[in-house]
Amino acid sequence: DSGVTQTPKHLITATGQRVTLRCSPRSGDLSVYWYQQSLDQGLQFLIQYYNGEERAKGNILERFSAQQFPDLHSELNLSSLELGDSALYFCASSVVATTNTGELFFGEGSRLTVL
Amino acid sequence: DQQVKQNSPSLSVQEGRISILNCDYTNSMFDYFLWYKKYPAEGPTFLISISSIKDKNEDGRFTVFLNKSAKHLSLHIVPSQPGDSAVYFCAASATSGYALNFGKGTSLLVTP
Repeated sequence: DSGVTQTPKHLITATGQRVTLRCSPRSGDLSVYWYQQSLDQGLQFLIQYYNGEERAKGNILERFSAQQFPDLHSELNLSSLELGDSALYFCASSVVATTNTGELFFGEGSRLTVL
Repeated sequence: DQQVKQNSPSLSVQEGRISILNCDYTNSMFDYFLWYKKYPAEGPTFLISISSIKDKNEDGRFTVFLNKSAKHLSLHIVPSQPGDSAVYFCAASATSGYALNFGKGTSLLVTP
C-alpha cells in the first residue's frame, strides 16, 4: 500500500459527459502528480500541484483541469469526454516539489471507460 | 515526443537466469533515472534509481547501469524469480524537473 488513495477505481461513462477523479496523497506529501496511461502507451504526465499551486503542466488537454485543495487532496476534472480519453489515470505524490531527489508514490489508478 | 524509450515491449526469461531491461533517453538534461515495477491492477512502485554522477547502483538482486555518453541505462535482475514478472517502466528527470518522464514499459515474464 503506497498510501495514495484514488477514487473511483473504475468509471464507465458516455461521450460528452464530465467526470471527476479524486486523489488523496500520502500523509505529509505536498506534491500531487496526475498521469494518464492509454493502451500501449507509457505514463504521460498531465499536471503537477505543490501545496495547492500548479507547478507544471504536461500533455494535458484543455478539456481537462485539476486542482489541489487546502487539505492537499486533488481532483482531476475531465469534460466533453471522447472515446480516446479512455485510459488509466494515476495519481502520485511526493514530499518535495521536484523529482530529481526522490521517488513518486503512485495510487492504484482510476480506470475510465468512455462509451 | 518520447524522450524515454523502451524498445522491447516484452521479455521472457527462465527462472534463475539474468533479466536485462534496456532504456534509452534523448534529453541530455536528464540527470536522475528510476525504474518502476508494476503488477496488474496496481500502481507503479519504485524499484531502484541512479544519479548521473554514478554509473552503477545496486540493490540486492537489482542493478542499474548508466551510460551517459550513449544515453542508455539498463536494469539487471539476477537471479530472476517468477515474482519478478511485471511491467517495468524506466523514468527520467532533469535537475529541478517537475515531472518524471516515463517510457512505455517492458513486460517481463519469468518462467519456472
